[in-house]
Amino acid sequence: SQQGEEDPQALSIQEGENATMNCSYKTSINNLQWYRQNSGRGLVHLILIRSNEREKHSGRLRVTLDTSKKSSSLLITASRAADTASYFCATGFQKLVFGTGTRLLVSP
Amino acid sequence: DAGITQSPRHKVTETGTPVTLRCHQTENHRYMYWYRQDPGHGLRLIHYSYGVKDTDKGEVSDGYSVSRSKTEDFLLTLESATSSQTSVYFCAISESKGTAQGNEQFFGPGTRLTVL
Repeated sequence: SQQGEEDPQALSIQEGENATMNCSYKTSINNLQWYRQNSGRGLVHLILIRSNEREKHSGRLRVTLDTSKKSSSLLITASRAADTASYFCATGFQKLVFGTGTRLLVSP
Repeated sequence: DAGITQSPRHKVTETGTPVTLRCHQTENHRYMYWYRQDPGHGLRLIHYSYGVKDTDKGEVSDGYSVSRSKTEDFLLTLESATSSQTSVYFCAISESKGTAQGNEQFFGPGTRLTVL
């Protein structure tokens, strides 16, 4: 069973637009991570947000965390074609549990 | 993918044959993981290791065994492959940090396994 569920499952936007994807989880957490996976490749860590943080930024990425709603969102601003990938949230400590992912397509 | 290699990268085998996948790291990280990735399921943990000869089961461990005799190598074995084990297998590594910091995982390039 998955701890995290991403929404939407797929998202298609134009370059320059913002992309928002959401993650809901079931149990209390210490932190939540977001990963990106390009087609045919392994996952790459993007950002980690701790349970006592509400928002975190990294370049064009903005992550929010609402522990009362057990949800997180990942915002990619000014998207580029190179952002086309699948995005996964993950919770846990040493053993991560991943959601099913959001497939993002950014068209030129 | 730097510091983590998986071999083979692609394999086609027949039902009932044994298969061993290898993960090799040069980062000297303590933790190593094997995941499988299937459409509609995301990544699911098969087994993981928290040190040499120390391993534990994950969510989908049935039909799989692992071994870690050296820090740098983590082997995944399918004793008798079945078609349901057709999947993409990813190895990952992480270091040990505090609970609040979490543990970023670094992934290998994956192995595509087809069981006919």
